[in-house]
Amino acid sequence: GAVVSQHPSRVICKSGTSVKIECRSLDFQATTMFWYRQFPKKSLMLMATSNEGSKATYEQGVEKDKFLINHASLTLSTLTVTSAHPEDSSFYICSARPGQGTNQPQHFGDGTRLSIL
Amino acid sequence: AQSVAQPEDQVNVAEGNPLTVKCTYSVSGNPYLFWYVQYPNRGLQFLLKYITGDNLVKGSYGFEAEFNKSQTSFHLKKPSALVSDSALYFCAVRPLTGGGNKLTFGTGTQLKVEL
Repeated sequence: GAVVSQHPSRVICKSGTSVKIECRSLDFQATTMFWYRQFPKKSLMLMATSNEGSKATYEQGVEKDKFLINHASLTLSTLTVTSAHPEDSSFYICSARPGQGTNQPQHFGDGTRLSIL
Repeated sequence: AQSVAQPEDQVNVAEGNPLTVKCTYSVSGNPYLFWYVQYPNRGLQFLLKYITGDNLVKGSYGFEAEFNKSQTSFHLKKPSALVSDSALYFCAVRPLTGGGNKLTFGTGTQLKVEL
């Protein structure tokens, strides 16, 4: 149980393109999802917390207009990287936490490798 | 502010030997601790967690971790390593109460198990 699906797994596109990444909880409902960015051989950096039916909470230094987050249902959150540039190239990972309680562990998607040419 | 330290970038172990991956943490109040494993080009897989109770927590794939409050540590262990255990391991913490939902991750430890 507690499967999180992330799509696409890899994207290669030209500079200036906008890219949408989907994160779905397949067998549970998630009122809260999280978006992380991971640089090579580095830890995960939390970008934002996605709340179903309300605005996402962004971490300091993360541009809201650059990284658009939509959490329209209890099983889907999307991250759109707008007008992507080479410096946005990274591994993006989402996670979701089952249930209403905060004692459940986060379950992660398999990540999206974004490469901007 | 909460933080996690994983002092070793890499740990090398021979297959069949015991392994330890170290983690120390800092958090306000009681901690909620996790270990995750990441294989190349994949997301993180949950291994185990500690909330309260027995200091020795057993998790997936034969891994266990020992919570030590006085040393603020939560080292990951396995009695007999397998080559397939080779991966990147992350320790994470957040306050048990308050502090929001945010997990803070360590920088990761690359485990290499060799024949």
